[in-house]
Amino acid sequence: GAGVSQSPSNKVTEKGKDVELRCDPISGHTALYWYRQRLGQGLEFLIYFQGNSAPDKSGLPSDRFSAERTGGSVSTLTIQRTQQEDSAVYLCASSLRASALGRTDTQYFGPGTRLTVL
Amino acid sequence: GEDVEQSLFLSVREGDSSVINCTYTDSSSTYLYWYKQEPGAGLQLLTYIFSNMDMKQDQRLTVLLNKKDKHLSLRIADTQTGDSAIYFCAESGTGRRALTFGSGTRLQVQP
Repeated sequence: GAGVSQSPSNKVTEKGKDVELRCDPISGHTALYWYRQRLGQGLEFLIYFQGNSAPDKSGLPSDRFSAERTGGSVSTLTIQRTQQEDSAVYLCASSLRASALGRTDTQYFGPGTRLTVL
Repeated sequence: GEDVEQSLFLSVREGDSSVINCTYTDSSSTYLYWYKQEPGAGLQLLTYIFSNMDMKQDQRLTVLLNKKDKHLSLRIADTQTGDSAIYFCAESGTGRRALTFGSGTRLQVQP
């Protein structure tokens, strides 16, 4: 079936504007993750959703960042009043379930959205 | 907090073996992963190993885990030009759902 899809693939915006990034996880996957990858660096965890549980927002860098997951499927990451340091590739991943002790559930990644803040 | 470190760059000749190394700090790590990222593409899971194992082999890939030293390596046998990519080491620990990634090792395969 289809993998994780993200849109747009590229987004250029002006400093101070708001942006919305979209993620469509693999159908049936209950866990969804957002990561950020700055140029030449590894991935930083931002936020995680698991089913109907409260999301884990511990990785969000500031209150300008927020995310929603509607109906347990599509997720939107919103960045308000964008700053130049927000420029990065934003990656979404989904897994069948959340990993737990003694079990791993492979995270499948989308192609990412490259955000450039001028 | 958790930290994962990798060397930045590795260059090998086609047909040679490549060894990419990774160290991590979290002693509660339960699973360790290797992901591959090709230009313009998302991350592709190559393999993973559970922390109670010390070796896992999958075709040309061999993962070695030294839990005492918190050292993980990925060996690619008979490296091909198509293996040129950035390789990320990642780990997950008890109680953490998200992965902690290293900064990636760029593998360049010379013909």
